[in-house]
Amino acid sequence: DIVMTQSPDSLAVSLGERATINCKSSQSVLNSSNKKNFLAWYQQKSGQPPKLLIYWASTRESGVPDRFSGSGSGTDFTLTISSLQAEDVAVYSCQQYYSHPPTFGGGTNVEIK
Amino acid sequence: EVQLVQSGAEVKKPGESLKISCKGTGYSFTSYLITWVRQRPGKGLEWMGIIYPGDSETRYSPSFQGQVTVSSDKSINTAYLQWSSLKASDTAIYYCARSVTYRSGLDYWGQGTLVTVSS
Repeated sequence: DIVMTQSPDSLAVSLGERATINCKSSQSVLNSSNKKNFLAWYQQKSGQPPKLLIYWASTRESGVPDRFSGSGSGTDFTLTISSLQAEDVAVYSCQQYYSHPPTFGGGTNVEIK
Repeated sequence: EVQLVQSGAEVKKPGESLKISCKGTGYSFTSYLITWVRQRPGKGLEWMGIIYPGDSETRYSPSFQGQVTVSSDKSINTAYLQWSSLKASDTAIYYCARSVTYRSGLDYWGQGTLVTVSS
């Protein structure tokens, strides 16, 4: 299985400041034929199901605010929240869907400082 | 509006069987796949298995193969996750989620079903 490792486990950021979450895969999730990275990011607020934010590593899902952005390729990926809002308090998880079985990172808890 | 509506919370004893459901509405149920995801208390997400309701083809994570069964009934737009003999370690929230293909993100999620297994 591909192991997804997120860092940090927890992050406290002031309102309006940038939050950066890292995700590293144990092997590349880049498909050489279509040049797509098979990686998604999800947001899970307390007591709610996860919500898809980003797919193909950098494509925002419809309706997701543009303060959320994804970057990276191969084995190293980043989710950036450019200006943290109160409603962004949540756990963020990455997922690879390149190889079977799809696997998730352990999650990063984002709080307000 | 796309919705995945899951069955309600369950409390079971070890060794009992259980089948939980996930009903898709607002889209063509047989044109998308349904994945089941486990979340143990305070823990991360674990991918369990996937089904294509169009032909009932399934794939499981090796970690869950033989431990659960994923099925669907396309006549009522419903997918299922079942256990034949529950263990205390099966206590978790179980989510169903939709994807366009096997290798794509999970774009809609059910509200989750809490399964508690305790003697």
